[in-house]
Amino acid sequence: NAGVTQTPKFRILKIGQSMTLQCTQDMNHNYMYWYRQDPGMGLKLIYYSVGAGITDKGEVPNGYNVSRSTTEDFPLRLELAAPSQTSVYFCASSYGSGAGSEQYFGPGTRLTVT
Amino acid sequence: AQRVTQPEKLLSVFKGAPVELKCNYSYSGSPELFWYVQYSRQRLQLLLRHISRESIKGFTADLNKGETSFHLKKPFAQEEDSAMYYCALTTGGGNKLTFGTGTQLKVEL
Repeated sequence: NAGVTQTPKFRILKIGQSMTLQCTQDMNHNYMYWYRQDPGMGLKLIYYSVGAGITDKGEVPNGYNVSRSTTEDFPLRLELAAPSQTSVYFCASSYGSGAGSEQYFGPGTRLTVT
Repeated sequence: AQRVTQPEKLLSVFKGAPVELKCNYSYSGSPELFWYVQYSRQRLQLLLRHISRESIKGFTADLNKGETSFHLKKPFAQEEDSAMYYCALTTGGGNKLTFGTGTQLKVEL
């Protein structure tokens, strides 16, 4: 199993450009998540999904969109990139929720907006 | 809203010394707490969860509701324990994790 994979690993965007960060998991997990991590800070939840066709906002959703058309894929879309979106983005997945459920993380995408 | 505080950005200890990584939380109900770890050039991964009351790689953590703490402890640090450690919380059986800012543990020889 590859687990959670993310592409690209690195990306530099100009202000106002758009891009999609890809996330795929091969563990048949129902739950998927997108986090961002700014320097010196903890991870903050952007969006999450409890199953195909269902998404919901996390703590910092502004400037992002997501979709979940399949169990495996959970892409994150940036429509109009801004310098404030410079961050490391992590995708994660879990089988269930709550205390018994471990989240599995991808390797991250380092995004710079200039 | 819930909050997780890790007061130390960096903790440096000698090999064989005891380790305590501090984690305090604010939440009025019954939280579910976790420690995640990121070793150099590896992914963030679960170390332990309070509900399991387990010891992983010699680390333990006890939930103290009176002090709203979930400190991570190990009696004798090893070089391979050097990593970034994050305390995280979820509530009400949900799946949204709130992370602390992390503590970099450095074990020196």
